[in-house]
Order: sequence, then structure tokens, then C-alpha cells
Amino acid sequence: IAGITQAPTSQILAAGRRMTLRCTQDMRHNAMYWYRQDLGLGLRLIHYSNTAGTTGKGEVPDGYSVSRANTDDFPLTLASAVPSQTSVYFCASSDSPDRAGGGHGYTFGSGTRLTVV
Amino acid sequence: GQNIDQPTEMTATEGAIVQINCTYQTSGFNGLFWYQQHAGEAPTFLSYNVLDGLEEKGRFSSFLSRSKGYSYLLLKELQMKDSASYLCAVLDSNYQLIWGAGTKLIIKP
Repeated sequence: IAGITQAPTSQILAAGRRMTLRCTQDMRHNAMYWYRQDLGLGLRLIHYSNTAGTTGKGEVPDGYSVSRANTDDFPLTLASAVPSQTSVYFCASSDSPDRAGGGHGYTFGSGTRLTVV
Repeated sequence: GQNIDQPTEMTATEGAIVQINCTYQTSGFNGLFWYQQHAGEAPTFLSYNVLDGLEEKGRFSSFLSRSKGYSYLLLKELQMKDSASYLCAVLDSNYQLIWGAGTKLIIKP
């Protein structure tokens, strides 16, 4: 593992099903983030975690939940998927929540393309 | 509300120079980022500006004017591999990144 690993790469999911998107980082970054990216829109923050054991809501948290039991893992769960949750999901991390890693920016995973039908 | 504006799409010629503009209105300012995103891939960090002025990094330069709420990314000696989307993002007063929708740059030979 180098950087951030997301799984699965893509998934087709029936509406109403529960789904967990996995995210693991090996950089010992304190802060982690989940974004969704939709055509014509900027990346939108779903949930974030500034450090292990804490989480917070972003711009579009409804229908999603997260946990941060340790530094490395930050799974995103869709309790009951709906078609509007069809999107590309990116997990990201930074070594500090303020200044987005001292100006070094976020490191992103390769994304999960989710289609809810 | 918070808003970041950048052109939806731009076209340029290989070997030329292109400037991608970004204007922002955010609650507070703690820095501005530019990211590159190739189709189907993750965004990758290009530059960070927190003070006014120009930051140069090889063929890419980024400029910031905080008083005008304005930044640009300048790409010189364009190569075909520069065809990508370029995302502008501002770190607001809560240290959350606010993202523009991105500018799709098309490079023609």
C-alpha cells in the first residue's frame, strides 16, 4: 500500500441496499475526508475526521455515515442507497486538518464509481 | 454563500501558454490550491498560494490576489499530457476546502 487505497473501484448497487466504501491510508495522516464528485459540480464534502476517534459532517452528509476507529481507516457507509447517490466517491487525507497539510494539499485515493439503480 | 468560479472549458494549442482564472467568495481565507485531474483519475496537488503574488513551479505558475478574490494558473509550453481538468479550491475560515467545478483544458496539436 502506498498512499490511499479505496475499494471497491466500482460498484452497481440496487436501491435500498446497504454499502460500505472502504478507505485506508498508510501515511499516518491525522485528517481524512470523503468527497463525492458529480459532473458539472465541484467536489462536495460528505464527512470528515480531523483525528482518530472524531468525525464531522460536511456539506452533503445526509444518507451517509462514517467512523474513524483508528488512524488508517475511514469507511463510508450508505445505509439505504438511493439513485441520487450515484457518483464518484473520493477519499482524501492530509497530515493536519488546518492549512490542508501545511500547504501540501490533500492526497486522494483513486476513487469508487458507484451506480445506484 | 461560498462560491468559486472558473471557466467550464478552455482550448489551447500544444506549445502555447494558457491562463486559467479562478475567482472566489468565501467565509475567510486560509490559502488557495490548484489541482490537476485527468479523466477517470484522482485529483493531484499542483500548487498552494496563501500570500499575494506569483509562485512558479516549472512550467506551471500560480498567482493570487487576496484583495480581488482572484487567482490564476498559468501553464507554459503546453504538452498533450496537460489535457485535464484543473480544480481551484479555497481553504475557508473553518479550514474546509471549498472546490470550484473545474476547468476542462483541451490541448490541440
